[in-house]
Amino acid sequence: QSVLTQPPSVSEAPRQRVTISCSGSRSNIGNNAVNWYQQVPGKAPKLLIYYDDLKSSGVSDRFSGSKSGTSASLAIRGLRSEDEADYYCSAWDDILNTWVFGGGTKLTVL
Amino acid sequence: QVQLQESGPGLVKPSETLSLTCTVSGGSIRGYYWSWIRQPPGKGLECIGYISYTGSTNYNPSLRSRVTMSVDTSKNHFSLSVSSVTAADTAFYYCARQVRVAGTSGWFYYFDSWGQGTLVSVSS
Repeated sequence: QSVLTQPPSVSEAPRQRVTISCSGSRSNIGNNAVNWYQQVPGKAPKLLIYYDDLKSSGVSDRFSGSKSGTSASLAIRGLRSEDEADYYCSAWDDILNTWVFGGGTKLTVL
Repeated sequence: QVQLQESGPGLVKPSETLSLTCTVSGGSIRGYYWSWIRQPPGKGLECIGYISYTGSTNYNPSLRSRVTMSVDTSKNHFSLSVSSVTAADTAFYYCARQVRVAGTSGWFYYFDSWGQGTLVSVSS
């Protein structure tokens, strides 16, 4: 059971838009920045979004992050087949005193 | 462009100690925090903890009693030990650089560079 809650999977057609939600609590998302990582099968995670909505260097403008209260979202527009991956949200937890992650969301581009 | 590379045994016997090293190239280990994150096959990510280049540590409370991290700035590498391992410790182990940046309301952090990961299996 992950501290941050994400849907296990999402799917959408090419060129469409999809959002991935990440729900937490005051001790993590509510009080700290959210980061998003993309993990292509068989590879290490890669930083996508940091400090809630800032894109890491080289990340396409098709990716955007947002946060409100104790929830965050990752949006991907203009879906492409190469976007198929697992996406993880993460934040520092002030009570657990460690980094916490969502369980990951598998994105399928139909 | 900093690069990280994990190294260590891929197979450890139950009750023994798992030991890994992460070598940093293309940049200095000084000035940053360095983390270990693991991922059981087919499952999600778990932060094991991190160590600063000065040697101060922060361990995940769920693993604290079994984890030790160390850093060697002269060799530009840092290490992880997990004692008394069981099958539940079988996972891909990643090392990562943790960056600290000043924000409008304080510091914020993120993992900006990751090693490729190494699979450690616990089995007799």
